[in-house]
Amino acid sequence: DTAVSQTPKYLVTQMGNDKSIKCEQNLGHDTMYWYKQDSKKFLKIMFSYNNKELIINETVPNRFSPKSPDKAHLNLHINSLELGDSAVYFCASSQGQGRSDNQPQHFGDGTRLSIL
Amino acid sequence: SQQGEEDPQALSIQEGENATMNCSYKTSINNLQWYRQNSGRGLVHLILIRSNEREKHSGRLRVTLDTSKKSSSLLITASRAADTASYFCATVAFMMDSSYKLIFGSGTRLLVRP
Repeated sequence: DTAVSQTPKYLVTQMGNDKSIKCEQNLGHDTMYWYKQDSKKFLKIMFSYNNKELIINETVPNRFSPKSPDKAHLNLHINSLELGDSAVYFCASSQGQGRSDNQPQHFGDGTRLSIL
Repeated sequence: SQQGEEDPQALSIQEGENATMNCSYKTSINNLQWYRQNSGRGLVHLILIRSNEREKHSGRLRVTLDTSKKSSSLLITASRAADTASYFCATVAFMMDSSYKLIFGSGTRLLVRP
């Protein structure tokens, strides 16, 4: 029943490792997003995909690489993890992306990434 | 820079009281959205108010929008312990290619004491 699900929920790993976070939505939405929420709860968009095409790529280090195999999935791969990458990463989805669309976004429950 | 700023940063009230949270933003908007985040969970959309609307209601929620002051408020009436959460406002920023992104404020942490 879960609309937007992401795995894993917790990820604890060593600095320098490479890790992936997976996200799937069963809402039939066209657009998916990755957000990063820091320790002060500030939420910032990282990437957005519309129908498997990258449409938003904020100033994120290129160690972060999103991949969308189909419009229901958006995965995030992170290379050479650094201490500053510790945060909660949220996947979200919405219907549409056009200027006239005012669609709410549906969020997963987050992946808590801790770098040791 | 951050688009929305919520005020207060934290709010503690007794169950049954009303809670008011404010959001200020910097640029012109198409719409403004409010989200709730329970501890350890993702954000949940509460209400969307368009730039040509001044007030909107949904159950115990009342949202106002004043585009001249670039501000919005979220009122939760007759609060319950289950309303304890962080509340975020988000505004839409359109990109050059007509895609858009949501820009979130820093949130108000609401504690409703039973």
